[in-house]
Order: sequence, then C-alpha cells, then structure tokens
Amino acid sequence: GQNIDQPTEMTATEGAIVQINCTYQTSGFNGLFWYQQHAGEAPTFLSYNVLDGLEEKGRFSSFLSRSKGYSYLLLKELQMKDSASYLCALWGGGGNKLTFGTGTQLKVEL
Amino acid sequence: GAVVSQHPSWVICKSGTSVKIECRSLDFQATTMFWYRQFPKQSLMLMATSNEGSKATYEQGVEKDKFLINHASLTLSTLTVTSAHPEDSSFYICSASRATGISGNTIYFGEGSWLTVV
Repeated sequence: GQNIDQPTEMTATEGAIVQINCTYQTSGFNGLFWYQQHAGEAPTFLSYNVLDGLEEKGRFSSFLSRSKGYSYLLLKELQMKDSASYLCALWGGGGNKLTFGTGTQLKVEL
Repeated sequence: GAVVSQHPSWVICKSGTSVKIECRSLDFQATTMFWYRQFPKQSLMLMATSNEGSKATYEQGVEKDKFLINHASLTLSTLTVTSAHPEDSSFYICSASRATGISGNTIYFGEGSWLTVV
C-alpha cells in the first residue's frame, strides 16, 4: 500500500505561516501533488514536486524528500480564504494513478 | 473554463435504483480517467482507473459489479451506481489525465457529483 498520512486538523492565525506535512510509504512514484479543496468542490492544483527540494509559487511552497518519505506544504501570509482542506497525492507508485493522502483541514483564525 | 465536465452535479435517487454519472474531457482526449468517492470530512478515495476501450481497474474493496465504469470513448467515462443504498450517498468526483511531455501528466478534475440515496 501507499499509506499517505497527514495531520487531520490544523489551526493558524491570519498573517502567519503554517506547514502541513505529508508522509508516505511507497516503493516508488513519479511525483507528489498538493491540492486545496473547499467543501463540496473539486480539488484545486497547488504544486507538483518531482525532484527533491523546494518548489516556490507565490505564497505557497512545497518540499519533497524522497529518501525520507516526506513532503510539506508551506503557506505564508495566511488569509482567511486559505481555510480549506489540503491534500497531498502521489502520482504513480503501482500504476498510473493519483492516490490521495488523508487530508488536513486548515482553519485560519483572526 | 472547465476542461473536465461532470454531470449531474446533484442527484437524488430512490434506494434500489441505479444512477449514472458522466465525466467528459472537453478539449483533450483522455486515455485514462479516475473515479473517486469522498465522504464528508474525509479525503478522496480512489475507486477505479478507467481506461478507454478496456475494463476498468478497481481498487481493493470496491465492488466492480456495483460500481460499473464504462470508458467507451476518449472523452467520456461513466460511473453507474447500481442498486443504490443510502450508504452509497457521497460526493463522487472524476479526473482525467493529460500527457504534458517531459513534465509528466496534468490532472484535471470534474466538478463532482453529489449523490443522495433516499
């Protein structure tokens, strides 16, 4: 299996920085995605990491370490609208398919 | 605009009946489509991988005779929930894979379909 684990819930303050972790156990994969999802809506693409290291995209950055089986999504200058579910997902790893992690519900407070 | 369209957005059906959900890629040919189910406050659970012109590959624990998947063309995949029961009520969402050269694949999601079985 590909046990892809994330913290269930996180709370952070508007304007702050938050790091959402994703750990996985798999024999191999092509890349790792991060998505944002608001309730009842389709996931929205945030980032895609293939190689180890940090990918920066505005307020959002994502990091991957294949040797450690670990990724994180970093959100800076948090805004209230960032309150949502954040999902990491592995592409590949036993067939061409996208398998999601357990998801993290982020709540941004004043 | 949307590149993957899912229909219907909302559907209510009676217990014991069947309901079909369509997933269309609008401006590209999707050789592979994926079907997910999502219960409230949970993540997306992959149900099956749908390949054009061949049988779908189901994930462990997903009943292939209950969740019929057909991928008859390069732009359309359908999920039919047969003999639906209240526990099948969920958010069903499809996605389509589009090859994008050396960067790998781009994944597009449909808008999702809310199924309520009464």
